[in-house]
Amino acid sequence: GAGVSQSPSNKVTEKGKDVELRCDPISGHTALYWYRQSLGQGLEFLIYFQGNSAPDKSGLPSDRFSAERTGGSVSTLTIQRTQQEDSAVYLCASSLDLSYGYTFGSGTRLTVV
Amino acid sequence: DQQVKQNSPSLSVQEGRISILNCDYTNSMFDYFLWYKKYPAEGPTFLISISSIKDKNEDGRFTVFLNKSAKHLSLHIVPSQPGDSAVYFCAASASATDSWGKLQFGAGTQVVVTP
Repeated sequence: GAGVSQSPSNKVTEKGKDVELRCDPISGHTALYWYRQSLGQGLEFLIYFQGNSAPDKSGLPSDRFSAERTGGSVSTLTIQRTQQEDSAVYLCASSLDLSYGYTFGSGTRLTVV
Repeated sequence: DQQVKQNSPSLSVQEGRISILNCDYTNSMFDYFLWYKKYPAEGPTFLISISSIKDKNEDGRFTVFLNKSAKHLSLHIVPSQPGDSAVYFCAASASATDSWGKLQFGAGTQVVVTP
């Protein structure tokens, strides 16, 4: 597709359940990023994939969070045993060259009840 | 710790006037700065960027100024239009110490352009 696609667009889950968020980057973009935006906050870096290099996981808030990127394309962010503080908009972005900035998807709004 | 700060959560400006958005940073290793614009229910879109070797970059109605000694950058929008009403995020990257492309974002400034 022409842009970064994220699914689902909205997810409501019960506390303690696991969730998977999906990101389809722009074809050919070697870098893929996950950020999240909690209510009233800026974007918080979570994890970054670049080509075949080991991902930068330094932003993951706890070991309940993990992410994969299969075949250098689609990425899945998994949150295990969700907590209410995980409620946020999770944004995926891809990039070919930072001088052009990232291209963000529309995000997944996660609500943990 | 918040390394990129946007101290004005909101800004109201009349159509046709100049909008000035400010951003301060604390990490002297930042060498690339970007501004993003975000409409509700959409992802942020890249607006304009500046490298630390420059002090100004202009693209149409948008100009970004960088003052490295003050660790301050600003975005000027002239003239402001109703379609500019959005949240604007400042972001910074430290290419020497961070993963390529990893950005630190400010909390955003909500701009409202009134007729």
